[in-house]
Amino acid sequence: GENVEQHPSTLSVQEGDSAVIKCTYSDSASNYFPWYKQELGKRPQLIIDIRSNVGEKKDQRIAVTLNKTAKHFSLHITETQPEDSAVYFCAASRGYSTLTFGKGTMLLVSP
Amino acid sequence: DTGVSQDPRHKITKRGQNVTFRCDPISEHNRLYWYRQTLGQGPEFLTYFQNEAQLEKSRLLSDRFSAERPKGSFSTLEIQRTEQGDSAMYLCASSLTVSVVNTEAFFGQGTRLTVV
Repeated sequence: GENVEQHPSTLSVQEGDSAVIKCTYSDSASNYFPWYKQELGKRPQLIIDIRSNVGEKKDQRIAVTLNKTAKHFSLHITETQPEDSAVYFCAASRGYSTLTFGKGTMLLVSP
Repeated sequence: DTGVSQDPRHKITKRGQNVTFRCDPISEHNRLYWYRQTLGQGPEFLTYFQNEAQLEKSRLLSDRFSAERPKGSFSTLEIQRTEQGDSAMYLCASSLTVSVVNTEAFFGQGTRLTVV
């Protein structure tokens, strides 16, 4: 089955800095890669996703890049704000199968 | 609230007791998933339904766990003879999946189970 590795497990940045979280996946047939944000005590919520026919996708301060050859994808957050502090999860799936999640990255943005 | 709802939000039970959780998905969504999340980990897949059919079960889902989705609407997850290792957050998610394309899965707030 699919295996998703996520790094780093914790990331501390100053407000205004950029943050990058990286994930690798094992199943070369995976074609859907969402990123979820989970604030303390709240439900995971989708912030951005990318499909395998696209190399990069951007939504305001958030971008995701995908390298199918190397089987890794990354989340980039620019101009970080304290409200970006949360746990971020990457995930992968193929076709319409279920999502396999990484273990998460706790992002701390200091004012 | 038109999102995914789960009930109860918290459940404390004694070891050996049975517990049942309920999930109400977004009404037009055909897929419903159950995940388990422990502290410091990502959600781990347990099982999912396409309409009323249970299509896949994880190896994590021992024979003490059973899930149903009668009539393809709400779903229940039952854990029999609970063990302390069952303590976790149980998350439900739903999505509208058409053909072979995955779409956004919307999560509920979860049910936090504590087995004492």
